[in-house]
Amino acid sequence: QVQLVQSGAEVKKPGASVKVSCKTSGYTFTSYPMHWVRQAPGQSLEWMGWINAGNGDTEYSQNFQGRVSITTDTSASTAYMEVSSLRFEDTAVYYCARGDSSGYPRFLDYWGQGALVTVSS
Amino acid sequence: DFVMTQSPDSLAVSLGERATINCKSSQSLLYGSNNKNYLAWYQQKPGQPPKLLIYWAYTRESGVPDRFSGSGSGTDFTLTISSLQAEDVAVYYCQQYYRPPLTFGGGTKVEIK
Repeated sequence: QVQLVQSGAEVKKPGASVKVSCKTSGYTFTSYPMHWVRQAPGQSLEWMGWINAGNGDTEYSQNFQGRVSITTDTSASTAYMEVSSLRFEDTAVYYCARGDSSGYPRFLDYWGQGALVTVSS
Repeated sequence: DFVMTQSPDSLAVSLGERATINCKSSQSLLYGSNNKNYLAWYQQKPGQPPKLLIYWAYTRESGVPDRFSGSGSGTDFTLTISSLQAEDVAVYYCQQYYRPPLTFGGGTKVEIK
């Protein structure tokens, strides 16, 4: 069965960086894109960007341009999302989510369990 | 960016009754060349990640009970739970994928009356 297992909770200081991993199993990693979505406490969902796991192409939301990097390690079937220059308002649960196999950013059919990132001084 | 507006923010429905959630997009989600609406619905229970319920506005994801149905076209969409069950208590989100950035509605919280 398809599984996305994320790394654990992190506490970071403002200005630091955080890297969250998403280890997958149960499907061909390079055949599906991976998206990252975050959810601040009590808030809705915010899309951050996605990566074509087959060729490494990425696209980011303008809200995160320059501060977010999404990468993959295809040998480990794992995706990564790094946020730099953390601010208090980056405190959120960060989810990885598998996209459909069309090659376009569409709906998200499997999600990781989420990783809480807390930015605190 | 496409702005997705959901209504109501919350609703309380008796067990076995119908729940209706609305989602309005700032621009049409109907793609002319394939006549498909680029809209999905998700369910999120407390402490859990979202779960895909419906895509292409009305196609139910595998394993989703048939009491969940999606309708609408263009800019106005509806998620209907035909007979509310206790396990349906959750927050529901719509999402457009017509054009990046993917955007979500603000969510609708469904509770038992």
